[in-house]
Amino acid sequence: EPEVTQTPSHQVTQMGQEVILRCVPISNHLYFYWYRQILGQKVEFLVSFYNNEISEKSEIFDDQFSVERPDGSNFTLKIRSTKLEDSAMYFCASSDLYNSPLHFGNGTRLTVT
Amino acid sequence: DQQVKQNSPSLSVQEGRISILNCDYTNSMFDYFLWYKKYPAEGPTFLISISSIKDKNEDGRFTVFLNKSAKHLSLHIVPSQPGDSAVYFCAATGANSKLTFGKGITLSVRP
Repeated sequence: EPEVTQTPSHQVTQMGQEVILRCVPISNHLYFYWYRQILGQKVEFLVSFYNNEISEKSEIFDDQFSVERPDGSNFTLKIRSTKLEDSAMYFCASSDLYNSPLHFGNGTRLTVT
Repeated sequence: DQQVKQNSPSLSVQEGRISILNCDYTNSMFDYFLWYKKYPAEGPTFLISISSIKDKNEDGRFTVFLNKSAKHLSLHIVPSQPGDSAVYFCAATGANSKLTFGKGITLSVRP
């Protein structure tokens, strides 16, 4: 069964550094998402992406965050200047139809020191 | 702003018995509800969903019930199996397709 893949599985970075989290969504999917889960808290929506542009973003998704689909297969989340509170599991997800169930990757654990 | 609430953090049941996981929501604009299951070190996996035009959806051992007037849904697993032990997230969405998740409930099924 096709799956969403995320790399790396764990990223450690120093405060103030830029990180790029990478995702390869399922190939025929059109809608892409990033979510995050801070340890002990719930899974939170960050951003949705369709037709090469952001369709919705949350309050968390401020100017430090950006997303890109640089080619036909990758979907990336960039954090320009990481903060300690950015430490979380970041999940990429995709779906084929609007409002259909999302398929999630296994996540990237980001640790900001 | 907890639009989707899972008020019990954990549930423990005996193998073979029924597991009932509850979820409440506050946003009346939600019209599609989903349950996801999550194992450690993995992403959430879609389990079952229900549209607001229905009050029940069944898939094998899993049944989701929706009570719109009470803004309440529940997931029934019967019979429960040890492999069902995981964190279960209730999620809801409306017109924008953005999923809003509950905090999750940890289900433990005792052999």
